[in-house]
Amino acid sequence: EVQLVESGGGLVQPGGSLRLSCAASGFTFSTYWMSWVRQAPGKGLEWVASINQGGSEKYYVDSVKGRSTISRDNAKNSLYLEVNSLRAEDTAVYYCASRGYETWGQGTLVTVSS
Amino acid sequence: EVVLTQSPATLSLSPGERATLSCRASQSVSSYLTWYQQKPGQAPRLLIYSASNRATGIPARFSGSGSGTDFTLTISSLEPEDFAVYYCHQRNNWPQTFGQGTRLEIK
Repeated sequence: EVQLVESGGGLVQPGGSLRLSCAASGFTFSTYWMSWVRQAPGKGLEWVASINQGGSEKYYVDSVKGRSTISRDNAKNSLYLEVNSLRAEDTAVYYCASRGYETWGQGTLVTVSS
Repeated sequence: EVVLTQSPATLSLSPGERATLSCRASQSVSSYLTWYQQKPGQAPRLLIYSASNRATGIPARFSGSGSGTDFTLTISSLEPEDFAVYYCHQRNNWPQTFGQGTRLEIK
């Protein structure tokens, strides 16, 4: 079964850091671009970052650029997103997506609050 | 940044009716336009990719058209399970962007 499972969300204080993980299974992870998309409570979808198959190309939305790093470990079939200097506006469900956005995880909730 | 504007924001229709959802881009995205359906508490579901190609397992009542800056998602005859929020998404330019969504509600 093709599957993505996110983890690492939780409650974080403003200014803190978080590392999200996405475990892939059921497909050849190393052959696909991977992406993170987030959704603030009651709001629409926002693309956050993408990384190519080998990890040499990385793109970010301006609002996280400079304080976030997307990375992947093809040997572990895993995708990561590290976000620093967290702000209240980073509060959202974070989804990982792949296979041309045909496959999505269930999401992990990040809440930034004191 | 490519801005995607979806209209209408809310569409109220009855089962069996035809739904037409619009997505307009602030600049050409060629055919790199994708449509998703999202229900409460669920991840988005890919419906249409490359403007007009149905994803695996998507019923034939869903169709997409357009290129450049103007795109349309059509649901030919609404089923009860089709009432949800629909988003368009462009991958032609970085940063990728989503439209703000159209809520399709039961009239």
